[in-house]
Amino acid sequence: DQQVKQNSPSLSVQEGRISILNCDYTNSMFDYFLWYKKYPAEGPTFLISISSIKDKNEDGRFTVFLNKSAKHLSLHIVPSQPGDSAVYFCAARGGGADGLTFGKGTHLIIQP
Amino acid sequence: DAMVIQNPRYQVTQFGKPVTLSCSQTLNHNVMYWYQQKSSQAPKLLFHYYDKDFNNEADTPDNFQSRRPNTSFCFLDIRSPGLGDAAMYLCATSRRRRSSYNEQFFGPGTRLTVL
Repeated sequence: DQQVKQNSPSLSVQEGRISILNCDYTNSMFDYFLWYKKYPAEGPTFLISISSIKDKNEDGRFTVFLNKSAKHLSLHIVPSQPGDSAVYFCAARGGGADGLTFGKGTHLIIQP
Repeated sequence: DAMVIQNPRYQVTQFGKPVTLSCSQTLNHNVMYWYQQKSSQAPKLLFHYYDKDFNNEADTPDNFQSRRPNTSFCFLDIRSPGLGDAAMYLCATSRRRRSSYNEQFFGPGTRLTVL
């Protein structure tokens, strides 16, 4: 029973365009959401996060949007660059738990 | 640079032969986590330590154990590895538990192969 779902295993975007990665969750107790980026042979690295009391958080080219009523969040990357090619994991925390609940990841491919 | 280190990066073991994976951190974080990630699956939390306080996830098999002898080191012991235990094992740390900004820092992982 997946509590965090990333329904697109892969996404291909042209360099310079916007990349939009989507994530849905089912557990209403989640109160904090994170995006991690993973290159091959490396561990996930933290990218950006958002608390459930906000609906938007921005950091440079990266913006995360949270729609609590829809239990949906998205990561926008503008403009997309070749170095953004990686697997992106959506993760959530809450309900008193210490660990993170992850989605399966979306492989983002930036094409020149 | 402060970091999370995992050794070895690749581990091959035989079916039923005990194996230990190692994680060390120079971040001086209080919390250390072990996640299991099978191919094309989401990383799944096995257990974590808050200082010396061990916290096991309800669905973590008894075959998996952990030790944390000091702040810097944490070990994952698999007592009798089965073929289904072949996976990437990720170690992570965080400064605090259950805080609003519980960013976790991950090591590069150990890929376990069971023959």
